[in-house]
Amino acid sequence: DIQMTQSPASLSASIGDRVTITCRASQGIGIYLNWYQQKPGRAPKVLIYAASTLQSGVPSRFSGSGSGTDFTLTISSLQAEDFATYYCQQSRSTPYTFGQGTKLGIK
Amino acid sequence: QLQLQESGPGLVKPSETLSLTCTVSGASIISSGFYWGWIRQPPGKGLEDVGTVYYNGGSYYNPSLKSRLTISLDTSRNRFSLRLTSVTAADTAVYFCVSLTRGDFGPIDSWGQGTQVTVSS
Repeated sequence: DIQMTQSPASLSASIGDRVTITCRASQGIGIYLNWYQQKPGRAPKVLIYAASTLQSGVPSRFSGSGSGTDFTLTISSLQAEDFATYYCQQSRSTPYTFGQGTKLGIK
Repeated sequence: QLQLQESGPGLVKPSETLSLTCTVSGASIISSGFYWGWIRQPPGKGLEDVGTVYYNGGSYYNPSLKSRLTISLDTSRNRFSLRLTSVTAADTAVYFCVSLTRGDFGPIDSWGQGTQVTVSS
């Protein structure tokens, strides 16, 4: 299985901050990396797919980059509704493994 | 708009079989290139890919569950199902049914609301 490692595991930030979350794959996955947001008691939803493509309806303050083994999710200016847990997931090969999550909290 | 809804028992006894169903609306489960899967999330933990059934009936299962798992299509009712045998407390989780409509390498683009399954006597 491809192992996905996210950092940091948790993060505190303020409204308006720029935030970056990183994800590393244990082997090259091309651009087959997706980012999800999950709020408590809710199902995750996709934000970014294919490393950098913004899902329809997702605000443009979210962006993704990377290829191969190293990827980043950036939120350019944090809003109140962005406090949640974020997961990366590789879709290069089955099983489609997830990172352990990054919990983004309010400072 | 594609919608998914899980159904099944919330409590299963150890060593018994867990059966869940996901009813799909807004698309046919035999639409070419569409994949249908299950993701689970143990309490307070991250997400685990359980397995997927393809629009043509093919499937793959997480190797850690493969010996106990079956995922299948019910085309007459436009739904798909999960069957996990010999459950233990480690199978306690919220189970989400999901769709992948962009084919190979695509993201999970729709999720059910999730159903809590507890394994306990």
